[in-house]
Amino acid sequence: DAKTTQPPSMDCAEGRAANLPCNHSTISGNEYVYWYRQIHSQGPQYIIHGLKNNETNEMASLIITEDRKSSTLILPHATLRDTAVYYCIVRYTDKLIFGTGTRLQVFP
Amino acid sequence: NAGVTQTPKFRVLKTGQSMTLLCAQDMNHEYMYWYRQDPGMGLRLIHYSVGEGTTAKGEVPDGYNVSRLKKQNFLLGLESAAPSQTSVYFCASMPDRPLGEQYFGPGTRLTVT
Repeated sequence: DAKTTQPPSMDCAEGRAANLPCNHSTISGNEYVYWYRQIHSQGPQYIIHGLKNNETNEMASLIITEDRKSSTLILPHATLRDTAVYYCIVRYTDKLIFGTGTRLQVFP
Repeated sequence: NAGVTQTPKFRVLKTGQSMTLLCAQDMNHEYMYWYRQDPGMGLRLIHYSVGEGTTAKGEVPDGYNVSRLKKQNFLLGLESAAPSQTSVYFCASMPDRPLGEQYFGPGTRLTVT
């Protein structure tokens, strides 16, 4: 599985969009990009995943660049409850390999 | 539908003691996983199972054993606990479909003194 690079921390004002970047320059053609988040010390929670096309669900949007070397997770209207560590994972097999993620702090 | 549950939630062991952590899922998932998370770190895969009766090693398997005798349960054993195994342990399960999402349990906080 390819490695990912994420900024260690980010801040976002409540109600604004949170854009979390992820670099995965060594991704191969059949590897998906997954995003999970971990709120406080709970178990990680699945957010979204994609291969080539942009994806959107009730939680977030995922924008993948055309060359697939990077992606951005967008939380359109961040709330205080979105404060968490966000993990970007590229995945081909049945295993998830977690990095250290981005700690997103949403402030009032 | 309880999802993924873990027993116990907290445990303190002395060095050299043994214990078993239980993970149970009621979603009929084929795949199950054990991770550990140390402070300030991401999760690291210890062992996993792709079906009843099967197990495989992950990134950090040393010092741990696992068993999957029933589809709904995945046990993680520490035969002789060491302080380096102080961590939070998470279990996860995943349905048998290509690249499905993993569902995580609430975690077990283990301290080895």
